[in-house]
Amino acid sequence: AQSVTQLGSHVSVSEGALVLLRCNYSSSVPPYLFWYVQYPNQGLQLLLKYTSAATLVKGINGFEAEFKKSETSFHLTKPSAHMSDAAEYFCAVSDDGGFKTIFGAGTRLFVKA
Amino acid sequence: EAQVTQNPRYLITVTGKKLTVTCSQNMNHEYMSWYRQDPGLGLRQIYYSMNVEVTDKGDVPEGYKVSRKEKRNFPLILESPSPNQTSLYFCASRDPGQGPYEQYFGPGTRLTVT
Repeated sequence: AQSVTQLGSHVSVSEGALVLLRCNYSSSVPPYLFWYVQYPNQGLQLLLKYTSAATLVKGINGFEAEFKKSETSFHLTKPSAHMSDAAEYFCAVSDDGGFKTIFGAGTRLFVKA
Repeated sequence: EAQVTQNPRYLITVTGKKLTVTCSQNMNHEYMSWYRQDPGLGLRQIYYSMNVEVTDKGDVPEGYKVSRKEKRNFPLILESPSPNQTSLYFCASRDPGQGPYEQYFGPGTRLTVT
């Protein structure tokens, strides 16, 4: 069975500091991996996705994630945090058909001025 | 504008009173799905539909029903709501077929069952 673990329900960084949000997954087949962002009172929107074309994936708003099969990880990073990055971030894994999706519990990112 | 819409956005109801949350998309997507979001649990999939008249259970289907009679609509039905179904519900749709397709989410429906 697939599962997703996000380490840290809350992460706080200063504006301009590195953002690192951790995601580990388990899957019996090569997975499809996603990061979504949820701003207050809104639905989720896609930040980036891993499609096996490249292990380093670049997304919107300066975010990127690296797929590491040996560590079963797909951590999300951004070199310099901005106040507008404050939101909740979800890592997700889909089965090879892409029909069933498992989400992590989410990490809320706080950005301090 | 491409979008997924849900109605109502907020709903307070009482235990046992049947309700329906509607979901509609204008992107001609064959695949649609319902999730519930609870604090500390993330999003959990309730049901999904790969096409008209084709639905399947997600991880938490108990207490819910769905129907898919037309491609654009995918209503979520709670025949006899209970307080443990108090949650934030999201509908999503995506392109058809297998693959890492992005899901497009609606704005959410906050349901309170007293």
